[in-house]
Amino acid sequence: AQSVTQLDSHVSVSEGTPVLLRCNYSSSYSPSLFWYVQHPNKGLQLLLKYTSAATLVKGINGFEAEFKKSETSFHLTKPSAHMSDAAEYFCVVSDSNSGYALNFGKGTSLLVTP
Amino acid sequence: DSGVTQTPKHLITATGQRVTLRCSPRSGDLSVYWYQQSLDQGLQFLIQYYNGEERAKGNILERFSAQQFPDLHSELNLSSLELGDSALYFCASSVGVNRYNEQFFGPGTRLTVL
Repeated sequence: AQSVTQLDSHVSVSEGTPVLLRCNYSSSYSPSLFWYVQHPNKGLQLLLKYTSAATLVKGINGFEAEFKKSETSFHLTKPSAHMSDAAEYFCVVSDSNSGYALNFGKGTSLLVTP
Repeated sequence: DSGVTQTPKHLITATGQRVTLRCSPRSGDLSVYWYQQSLDQGLQFLIQYYNGEERAKGNILERFSAQQFPDLHSELNLSSLELGDSALYFCASSVGVNRYNEQFFGPGTRLTVL
């Protein structure tokens, strides 16, 4: 069975400082990994995805993530936080065993303070 | 705008009732996924259809059912509604079913059961 664990339910950073949102995954198959963002009262937007190519993945809005198989991790980073980054972030895993349905983590709420 | 449409945006109903949520996938997408987002369960996968056929099942209750029609739109039917069914229901679509196919999410239908 596949699963993801988001290690922090809340993260608070100051504007202009780095962002680190942590995610560990479990999958018996070659997984695809994603980060989605959800702004308040909005839908889900794909930030970036890993599907077995380069392990360092660059996404939108300056976010990137590194797939580390040995550590079963897929942490999301951004060098400098912006106020507009405040949102809920979901780490997601999928694999062939589940028809590539998305299995979401519980989410990390990112707060950005001035 | 992802190109996935969901109707209605909001739905308020009473316990014991039945409702139908509708999803129109992006043009050309053959696969439709349904997800439920609630405070208790987080975001979870319910069911997937591909070109009219059920492809994968997640944590979908027996009171819930879905189908995908020849024009590829999908409906999620929720019956004998309970207070705990109050949630945001998302539909997503993708071209196919493999690790490279991105899922595009609709804006969701917010269901409130009173």
